[in-house]
Order: sequence, then structure tokens, then C-alpha cells
Amino acid sequence: AQSVAQPEDQVNVAEGNPLTVKCTYSVSGNPYLFWYVQYPNRGLQFLLKYITGDNLVKGSYGFEAEFNKSQTSFHLKKPSALVSDSALYFCAVRVRSGNTPLVFGKGTRLSVIA
Amino acid sequence: GAVVSQHPSWVICKSGTSVKIECRSLDFQATTMFWYRQFPKQSLMLMATSNEGSKATYEQGVEKDKFLINHASLTLSTLTVTSAHPEDSSFYICSASRSGWNIQYFGAGTRLSVL
Repeated sequence: AQSVAQPEDQVNVAEGNPLTVKCTYSVSGNPYLFWYVQYPNRGLQFLLKYITGDNLVKGSYGFEAEFNKSQTSFHLKKPSALVSDSALYFCAVRVRSGNTPLVFGKGTRLSVIA
Repeated sequence: GAVVSQHPSWVICKSGTSVKIECRSLDFQATTMFWYRQFPKQSLMLMATSNEGSKATYEQGVEKDKFLINHASLTLSTLTVTSAHPEDSSFYICSASRSGWNIQYFGAGTRLSVL
């Protein structure tokens, strides 16, 4: 069975500092990994994905994530946080392409303090 | 990215009534739509997967007679919560995708409050 772990419920970072939101996964096969962001009372917005190729993927709003197969991790990073980055971030995985459901982590709330 | 519209964004209803939520793909044909439920401060839980023209596939523990899903066209899926009760109050989110796509695009969600 697929699963995603986001070990931190909350991450606090000062504006301008680098941020990391952690994600590890467990799948029986090659993972398709995703990060989504959710603002209050809104749906999820796609940030970035890893399917194959370079382990470092770049996404929207200056975010990037690094796929680490040996550590089964896909941490989300940004070199310089903005207050507007404050939101709920979800990591998700599925094991194959096509129209298959995503399995989500429990989410990490990011607070960027001015 | 592709646009998914979900309506209504917020609905309040009396216990025992039925509520219909619409999910539309505005600029693409969605061969598959997913319905999720999100409780406060929790992750999204998949309720069902809906392929156009087919019956929805429900996750274990989700009552198909209570949560009726219809995906009659490539741009519209509906979720009807029948005989709603206060415990059905939640945030419902749909997503849509298309054959060959790796990304799901999400609607803005519907907050259901059952009094």
C-alpha cells in the first residue's frame, strides 16, 4: 500500500530565510510524487511533480523539491521564504501514471513570519 | 494549468435534505474525476473515483447510496449528499484529470454545513 508521511504539523520560518517542508513516502514501485498548496477555504493548487529524470524539480512560485530514492524522500524547498507562502502544504504519491488516485500526507502548515 | 470549477463554494442545509455539488472542467475534457473529503486540520481522504460514462468506484467505508456520484459528461461530475446529517458536515473537494495526464487539477472545494 502507498503512504506518505509529513513529519511536521507546523513549520515556522522568518521571511527571507530558506524553508524546507519534509515528505517521505512508501510505495511498491516507482513513485510519482507531487506537492500541492492549499490556502484557507480553497482547493489545492499544484506546485510541482517528480515523474522521472532529474532528481531536482522546479515548480511554481520559486519552489523546488529533491527526489531522493535511497531515503524515499521528496522534501519541498525554497531559498527565500515570503509571507505569502504561508499556507498548508500537501505531499502526495501514486505508483503509476494515468487516472489513478493520489494518496496524500496529512499536510504541513507553513507560517512565514515577517 | 487547467481549470476546475466547483459549485457551490459554501452550502448550509437542514438535516434530512439532499445537497448537490457540481464539479466542472472548464477547459479540458476530464475522463476521470475524484471526490475527496477533508476534515478540519486533516488530510484529504479519497471518497470515490469517477470515470465518464461509468459507475463510480467508492473507497471502503464510503456509502454509495448516501454519496451519489454522477459523471455523465466529460466536463461535469456531481456529488449528491442524500439525507444529510450533521456528521456529513465537511469540506468536499473534487479533482479532474485526463487520460495520459500525470497531474490532477482541483476545484476550490465546497464547505457543507448541516444543521
